[in-house]
Amino acid sequence: EVKLVESGGGLVQPGRSLKLSCAASGFSFNDYWMGWVRQAPGKGLEWIGEINQDSSTINYTPSLKDKFTISRDNAQNTLYLQMSKLGSEDTAIYYCARVDYFDYWGQGVMVTVSS
Amino acid sequence: DIQMTQSPPVLSASVGDRVTLSCKASQNINKNLDWYQQKHGEAPKLLIYYTNNLQTGIPSRFSGSGSGTDYTLTISSLQPEDVATYYCYQYNSGPNTFGAGTKLELK
Repeated sequence: EVKLVESGGGLVQPGRSLKLSCAASGFSFNDYWMGWVRQAPGKGLEWIGEINQDSSTINYTPSLKDKFTISRDNAQNTLYLQMSKLGSEDTAIYYCARVDYFDYWGQGVMVTVSS
Repeated sequence: DIQMTQSPPVLSASVGDRVTLSCKASQNINKNLDWYQQKHGEAPKLLIYYTNNLQTGIPSRFSGSGSGTDYTLTISSLQPEDVATYYCYQYNSGPNTFGAGTKLELK
């Protein structure tokens, strides 16, 4: 069974950093692109970016390229999202997903940016 | 960036109705479009990939069509469990983008 489990969310102060993890199981992690999508409270889905199998290609939405870094550890079957200079606009549920047409999603992890 | 415009924003329909949701891209996306269903409090779920391919396990009442800039998700006979928000998503050219969603309600 394919499972994606995000962790690392919580309350963070403006301007600080936070690193999310996404633990994958039930499939050959190093065979797939992986991605991150977020959803602000009451809003729609926003594509953050994606990473290919060997981390040689990483794509971001332009507005987040200087703040967020996507990485992966194939040995640990884990995807990461490093977020810096966080602002209130980054308050959202963050989802990781397998990029085979986003066929599997995690349950999401909430990040709240507030003082 | 490619803008994805979904219409209508909210749709009210009755059980058994045929429902059509629209998604229009700001430029040709060469059928590189998926549809996702998100129920309240849940993660999105893939319904249709590459315009018209039904994801495994999705009921056959869902179908997709389109080309160029205009795409459609059709539910042939609306069921109560179809109440959700539906998003289209293009991956033809970066940055990939989602539409704003259509919220489907029961009348």
